[in-house]
Amino acid sequence: QVQLQESGPGLVKPSETLSLTCTVSGGSVNSDNYYWSWIRQPPGKGLEWIAYISYTGITSYNPSLQSRVTVSVDTSKKQFSLKLNSVTAADTAVYYCARDWEYYDSNIYSDAFDIWGQGTKVTVSS
Amino acid sequence: SSELTQDPAVSVALGQTVRITCQGDSLRDYYASWYQQKPGQAPVLVIYGQNGRSSGIPDRFFGSRSGNTASLTITGAQAEDEAAYYCNSRDSSGSHLVFGGGTKLTVL
Repeated sequence: QVQLQESGPGLVKPSETLSLTCTVSGGSVNSDNYYWSWIRQPPGKGLEWIAYISYTGITSYNPSLQSRVTVSVDTSKKQFSLKLNSVTAADTAVYYCARDWEYYDSNIYSDAFDIWGQGTKVTVSS
Repeated sequence: SSELTQDPAVSVALGQTVRITCQGDSLRDYYASWYQQKPGQAPVLVIYGQNGRSSGIPDRFFGSRSGNTASLTITGAQAEDEAAYYCNSRDSSGSHLVFGGGTKLTVL
């Protein structure tokens, strides 16, 4: 079965760039039904969708983060990545990668995050 | 602020039925999906679409939608159902995804 695994530094200094990679195992990133997403959760708070990318490079970003975020995909390595610039303490969170399944039900396209990585904690501190 | 609104906390007596709601204009156009998250764990997909249950989810979990409100109903709540529940859907533009603020379910 498909599994996702995040990797990257657990500590990032303020004003620097947070970089994370998600590796897909047990399946392919090359599918028209899936987008590959990043989601974060600050300590004690709720989930926040950051961005997604398709295997063809179609992207969408959370408007509140769009100016600082870039996502990319490397289909040959079965990886997708997140870069968040100019980080502050407010970016401290557990970062999850997830598979966004776009499905069709009763004439409606909708989404569901059907597979999640275990999450990686990133702290922004000097 | 989130375009999907959830009650912060709900409680239910063991074995009773509880409904967790999610409100938002986009829910008139898109289905919500529901996630269960226990402390220290990644979220798990519970419900999607009209009433699709993810693999391994007990049939006491039920999803529904009416107007701009999506609901997750648990019939015969169990102690292991105590968790945070999040709804998710597209936003009003249809171009972005959004989560509700989450509902902490306590089973008494």
